Amino acid sequence: GENVEQHPSTLSVQEGDSAVIKCTYSDSASNYFPWYKQELGKRPQLIIDIRSNVGEKKDQRIAVTLNKTAKHFSLHITETQPEDSAVYFCAASIEGYQKVTFGTGTKLQVIP
Amino acid sequence: DGGITQSPKYLFRKEGQNVTLSCEQNLNHDAMYWYRQDPGQGLRLIYYSQIVNDFQKGDIAEGYSVSREKKESFPLTVTSAQKNPTAFYLCASSKPGWAAETQYFGPGTRLLVL
Repeated sequence: GENVEQHPSTLSVQEGDSAVIKCTYSDSASNYFPWYKQELGKRPQLIIDIRSNVGEKKDQRIAVTLNKTAKHFSLHITETQPEDSAVYFCAASIEGYQKVTFGTGTKLQVIP
Repeated sequence: DGGITQSPKYLFRKEGQNVTLSCEQNLNHDAMYWYRQDPGQGLRLIYYSQIVNDFQKGDIAEGYSVSREKKESFPLTVTSAQKNPTAFYLCASSKPGWAAETQYFGPGTRLLVL
């Protein structure tokens, strides 16, 4: 089955700096890669996703890049703010199938 | 955040006891999921259901059971066979289609063993 590895497990950045979280996947058939943000005590929520037919997607301060050859994808957050502090999960799945495999999460702390 | 609810927020289980966690959604989603969240282990899939009266085992189904008698409801029973049930349980739903879809999560139930 699919295996998703996520690094780092914790990340501290100064407010205004950039943060990068990286994930690798094992199943070359995977073609949908969502990212979820879970604030303390709250439920995970989708923040951005990318499909395998594109290499990069941006939404304001958030971007995701995908390298299908290397089987890895990354989340980039620019101009970080304290409200970006949360646990971020990457995931991988195959279109047409409903099973999603999650990474182990990255706890991001943005220091004011 | 609305549309998918879980109850109770906290649940206590005694030795040898079965307990049931509730998950309800009014999003008209066909697919529903149960995940277990432990510190440092991310979200692990317990069971999922793509349609009423059908469900599939996930990666860690042992010691758990589910039913899907109604589209809106997907209860999870933690049986006495689950020896380490203390965790945060998240229910999710999605509108399936040919493309992978966003999962919408409930607020979670924290299960503790007495």
